[in-house]
Amino acid sequence: DGGITQSPKYLFRKEGQNVTLSCEQNLNHDAMYWYRQDPGQGLRLIYYSQIVNDFQKGDIAEGYSVSREKKESFPLTVTSAQKNPTAFYLCASSGARLQPQHFGDGTRLSIL
Amino acid sequence: GQQLNQSPQSMFIQEGEDVSMNCTSSSIFNTWLWYKQDPGEGPVLLIALYKAGELTSNGRLTAQFGITRKDSFLNISASIPSDVGIYFCAGPPGTYKYIFGTGTRLKVLA
Repeated sequence: DGGITQSPKYLFRKEGQNVTLSCEQNLNHDAMYWYRQDPGQGLRLIYYSQIVNDFQKGDIAEGYSVSREKKESFPLTVTSAQKNPTAFYLCASSGARLQPQHFGDGTRLSIL
Repeated sequence: GQQLNQSPQSMFIQEGEDVSMNCTSSSIFNTWLWYKQDPGEGPVLLIALYKAGELTSNGRLTAQFGITRKDSFLNISASIPSDVGIYFCAGPPGTYKYIFGTGTRLKVLA
């Protein structure tokens, strides 16, 4: 079945460590997005990519980095510069600009 | 960044009751989306609206695109326990991304 796969489901980070969250889609979608969700809050956009080898910062990009080397993949790295990384991270994709986004099941990141 | 205002923030209802929630924006939108999120999972698209005044149903769910294009409404009829979750609205302030509301948390009492 087509869909978006995020891994791992749970991730723990040590102080000063970079961690990478995986997002893969087999929907043949051009656009991909990363959101952060904190308890009791909505979704905040971290980065988005409309096409391979191109991406733009969202509203809260500081302390994060991404790459888009393949259409199917859009990994997110949470760097040590992100001082409050504990959150639920959601990846989404859409077929074209402003088509509805479809989400993965998320990765919950915690600090050890 | 800009966010959408959803109301109510949370609600407890009895099983079988109807539910209404709304979403407002300071900007005009050409599209409104409604999602539901279950605990520990990603949001799932419920309804997409593309035209002012449009009324669209998906089972017991009905959503409307407000005439002013600055608001949208979601109704759930005859609620059941599995309706529990967080309902988000979303709209595009520009041409490349959506913004999401803060969510309405629904709890259904059996």
